[in-house]
Amino acid sequence: GAVVSQHPSRVICKSGTSVKIECRSLDFQATTMFWYRQFPKQSLMLMATSNEGSKATYEQGVEKDKFLINHASLTLSTLTVTSAHPEDSSFYICSARSGLVGGETQYFGPGTRLLVL
Amino acid sequence: KQEVTQIPAALSVPEGENLVLNCSFTDSAIYNLQWFRQDPGKGLTSLLLIQSSQREQTSGRLNASLDKSSGRSTLYIAASQPGDSATYLCAVRRSGNTPLVFGKGTRLSVIA
Repeated sequence: GAVVSQHPSRVICKSGTSVKIECRSLDFQATTMFWYRQFPKQSLMLMATSNEGSKATYEQGVEKDKFLINHASLTLSTLTVTSAHPEDSSFYICSARSGLVGGETQYFGPGTRLLVL
Repeated sequence: KQEVTQIPAALSVPEGENLVLNCSFTDSAIYNLQWFRQDPGKGLTSLLLIQSSQREQTSGRLNASLDKSSGRSTLYIAASQPGDSATYLCAVRRSGNTPLVFGKGTRLSVIA
């Protein structure tokens, strides 16, 4: 099956700094990527949807100026957590979907654990 | 807005037991439903995907059923093993272009 990678797998940063998380589709072109956030013992909550070359669409309650999403190519999307605070500590998971007919399957990355001190 | 509920939230069973995990969703107009497994601190592994026109899917010891009209799905695990211990997530999609909406999951512990 299709493979999605994320980097880094784990990051610890100080409060007030910015953190960038990369999501790559390794063997297919992802016209759409989704970013989810998962708090401990909670489900995955969709943060935003990004289509290649377009601005991301954010879910209600997600600050677009805080969570910057760039989907500049068909294989790479980045999520930047700006001025991170301890409450941003979470597990961030990206998901990618190809634009091919019948390509509605979402493939998930392994996740990035963010800890803000 | 679609809401997905999974019951129970946690389940502990002895090895070898057959078990059923439940998933319900509020909007029956779904495109497909998917069951995932998540190990602690890890990403998602897709287990079974049921299209809206299907009633069940099987893979090995796993069987998932779908009753779209009543907004329910079940995941049946036969002859459970300690290696089945994980969180099982149910997710639905409204259309081919929309993202998956997840339930909170069922944390399963299979005790040897």
